[in-house]
Amino acid sequence: GAGVSQSPSNKVTEKGKDVELRCDPISGHTALYWYRQRLGQGLEFLIYFQGNSAPDKSGLPSDRFSAERTGESVSTLTIQRTQQEDSAVYLCASSFEGTRSFDEQFFGPGTRLTVL
Amino acid sequence: DAKTTQPNSMESNEEEPVHLPCNHSTISGTDYIHWYRQLPSQGPEYVIHGLTSNVNNRMASLAIAEDRKSSTLILHRATLRDAAVYYCILKSTGKLIFGQGTTLQVKP
Repeated sequence: GAGVSQSPSNKVTEKGKDVELRCDPISGHTALYWYRQRLGQGLEFLIYFQGNSAPDKSGLPSDRFSAERTGESVSTLTIQRTQQEDSAVYLCASSFEGTRSFDEQFFGPGTRLTVL
Repeated sequence: DAKTTQPNSMESNEEEPVHLPCNHSTISGTDYIHWYRQLPSQGPEYVIHGLTSNVNNRMASLAIAEDRKSSTLILHRATLRDAAVYYCILKSTGKLIFGQGTTLQVKP
């Protein structure tokens, strides 16, 4: 079946503009995650959705970052008033059930965001 | 979240076994040990996970110390395609907390 898909694959924007990044998780997966990876760095957790529960937003770096998820399907990560330090690859992942310690996460290919 | 310690880098020769160590002395009883790897310019991919017993799958083996304070990912015959950053992660629920991982270089 189809894996996690993300769009766009690349996004170049000017400082101060808003951007929206989209993630389509694997069908049937109740959990969805966003991570960020700056050049040459490890992955940073941003936000986690589990079913109808309130999302874990503990990794969002500032109030310029927000995310929504429609039911158990697509998610959108929005960055308002982008700054150059927001330049990174934004990775989405999904898993069948996020509350179980043994569930693996399946990652999408990422969106490379460049803020000029 | 419990932390793990891994060597920054390791080298291996092609077709030889590779043992990637991970220390996690503060692991709790409910934490699973997960390994992911990230090939160049790709998102991470799941490799293997375990709780207490050693585990094998088609990609690798995971050896877990009896006290669970350390583990070792074993690639039985390294190939050039195994060159990647390998992450050892302790997972209870929800998010994965990635460290810097071990960069594995495989020499032909």
